[in-house]
Amino acid sequence: AQSVTQLGSHVSVSEGALVLLRCNYSSSVPPYLFWYVQYPNQGLQLLLKYTSAATLVKGINGFEAEFKKSETSFHLTKPSAHMSDAAEYFCAVRETGANNLFFGTGTRLTVIP
Amino acid sequence: ETGVTQTPRHLVMGMTNKKSLKCEQHLGHNAMYWYKQSAKKPLELMFVYNFKEQTENNSVPSRFSPECPNSSHLFLHLHTLQPEDSALYLCASSQEETGGTDTQYFGPGTRLTVL
Repeated sequence: AQSVTQLGSHVSVSEGALVLLRCNYSSSVPPYLFWYVQYPNQGLQLLLKYTSAATLVKGINGFEAEFKKSETSFHLTKPSAHMSDAAEYFCAVRETGANNLFFGTGTRLTVIP
Repeated sequence: ETGVTQTPRHLVMGMTNKKSLKCEQHLGHNAMYWYKQSAKKPLELMFVYNFKEQTENNSVPSRFSPECPNSSHLFLHLHTLQPEDSALYLCASSQEETGGTDTQYFGPGTRLTVL
């Protein structure tokens, strides 16, 4: 069965610093991978998705993620954090041909002024 | 209205009450989903409807009863819930439920508290 591990339930960075949110998945075949963001009192919004094209995926708000098959990872990065990036981030995986989208437990990002 | 809307945004109910959650999508999608989001747990997929037909029921207790009268509307009927059912219930929709790269669009959720 698919599973997603997000290391660090809470990450704090200073404004302007690099953001790195980790995601590892378990899958016997390369899956489809997604990052979602959830702002307080809102639903989830898609940041970016990997669909087996380019391994480096660019998303909205300056975020990007790199698919590394050898490491079964899909870490999310942003070069310079903004205060508005404070939110909860969810990594999700779907196996090719499967229906379910499996989510990680989320990482809450705090940006310190 | 645009995107996916959910009503009510907050709901407090007793264990003997019957209530319903409503979801509406204005995106022309054909698939709709119910998820449960509890603190410190991954989002749990509850139900999936594709072209109004239920295609997934992830062993959800019968006290949760979904209804999908058309591709734009999805309901979750609640009765005799337990306190552990308190959570954020999220609705989502996608173009179709193909197991591919379809993006799911989420509503803001209904925060449910069961007393």
